[in-house]
Amino acid sequence: EDQVTQSPEALRLQEGESSSLNCSYTVSGLRGLFWYRQDPGKGPEFLFTLYSAGEEKEKERLKATLTKKESFLHITAPKPEDSATYLCAVQAYYGQNFVFGPGTRLSVLP
Amino acid sequence: ETGVTQSPTHLIKTRGQQVTLRCSSQSGHNTVSWYQQALGQGPQFIFQYYREEENGRGNFPPRFSGLQFPNYSSELNVNALELDDSALYLCASSSWGGREQYFGPGTRLTVT
Repeated sequence: EDQVTQSPEALRLQEGESSSLNCSYTVSGLRGLFWYRQDPGKGPEFLFTLYSAGEEKEKERLKATLTKKESFLHITAPKPEDSATYLCAVQAYYGQNFVFGPGTRLSVLP
Repeated sequence: ETGVTQSPTHLIKTRGQQVTLRCSSQSGHNTVSWYQQALGQGPQFIFQYYREEENGRGNFPPRFSGLQFPNYSSELNVNALELDDSALYLCASSSWGGREQYFGPGTRLTVT
């Protein structure tokens, strides 16, 4: 069974304090790993897709990396507007659906 | 380019009632997936529609059903509502074979 876990469950950072979020996964044949950002009461907003181990993607203060068992979302010098829940999801080759992790709630304090 | 839209935004129903939620896919996308997201949890896959047929289903009972129309829009129907059905219902669209799914804003369903 495909599974995704995320850690930490919640993270509080001071503005400018860099950190990383972890996504560990178990899937029979990874088709893609996806990172989303979700603000309270809203739908997830697409951030990145990673396809193979060693791949990296960057967008503004965010950088996502992928290994064979986990992915990291690095946040460099975060700002209060980066506060949100960050969701990780995997898609297997044999299916079309995404399996999501529970998310990491990030709070960036000014 | 038009994004994914959902209606209504919020809905309050009584246990035992039936509800229909609607989704319009992003332009150029022909596949629609539905997810249920309970408070504090990640989205859970309900089912996916492609070419007006169900193409994959998660661990949800038959009282959760759906439709897809020729214009690729979709409906999620839930019969005999239970208190545990209270959640944010998300619709995501993609192109068939495409890897990224783009989500709508969701419908918040409260069952009392």
